[in-house]
Amino acid sequence: GAGVSQSPRYKVAKRGQDVALRCDPISGHVSLFWYQQALGQGPEFLTYFQNEAQLDKSGLPSDRFFAERPEGSVSTLKIQRTQQEDSAVYLCASTSEDFQPQHFGDGTRLSIL
Amino acid sequence: LAKTTQPISMDSYEGQEVNITCSHNNIATNDYITWYQQFPSQGPRFIIQGYKTKVTNEVASLFIPADRKSSTLSLPRVSLSDTAVYYCLVGDLRGSTLGRLYFGRGTQLTVWP
Repeated sequence: GAGVSQSPRYKVAKRGQDVALRCDPISGHVSLFWYQQALGQGPEFLTYFQNEAQLDKSGLPSDRFFAERPEGSVSTLKIQRTQQEDSAVYLCASTSEDFQPQHFGDGTRLSIL
Repeated sequence: LAKTTQPISMDSYEGQEVNITCSHNNIATNDYITWYQQFPSQGPRFIIQGYKTKVTNEVASLFIPADRKSSTLSLPRVSLSDTAVYYCLVGDLRGSTLGRLYFGRGTQLTVWP
C-alpha cells in the first residue's frame, strides 16, 4: 500500500510569510508525528496526534508553529511569520498502534530567504 | 527519555560485516531499542527493534547484552547501497513517548567498493 506522503517536497518562502505543509499518513494509522530535522542532525519531535486529538505539542519551538488533524487523517503543519531559523526538513510519521515502528514520509524541505 | 551515544562515522568495504554499537546507560525497564536507517533526502526507515538478547530479521541482527546498557546493530555483507546514517533510539514505545525518542546525530556509515 501507499506510504506516508508529504507535500510539497520543497518550499521556498520569504521571511515573514506563512507556510503550510501537508502530511497524508498511511490509511488507518491512528498516531501521527511531526519532526523537524536540521542539516546534519537527527529528527527532533514537534508534536503528536492520536486520531484528531493533539496530545503532545511540547516540541513546537514557538507559538508561530501550529498543527492540526481535523478528521484524524491528513495533517497540516503551519508556520506563521517564518524566520530563517525555520529552514529545515519537516518530517511526518505515522503508526498504527503502540510498539509498532513509525513510517516516515520523505519530508518537506523548507527554505526561508 | 534515555539518550544514546554512537560513533559519528564508520567506514567499511563491500561484502564485510558491519557492527555499530550504541551506548544507553540510562535505559529504563520499559524501554525498547530501535534502529532506523536514513538516506539523503528521504525519511528514516525502520530496520530492527528489540528488548533483550538477540533479534534477527532479513536485513540485520540486533544484539543486546543482559544489562541492556548497550546494543549492537550488525549488518551482514554490506553493499554500496547500505551507505546511510543509522540511528539508535531507546525508549518506551507507547503514545507520545514513541515520537519523542532521541535520534541524536546517528552514525554515518560509508561503504567503499
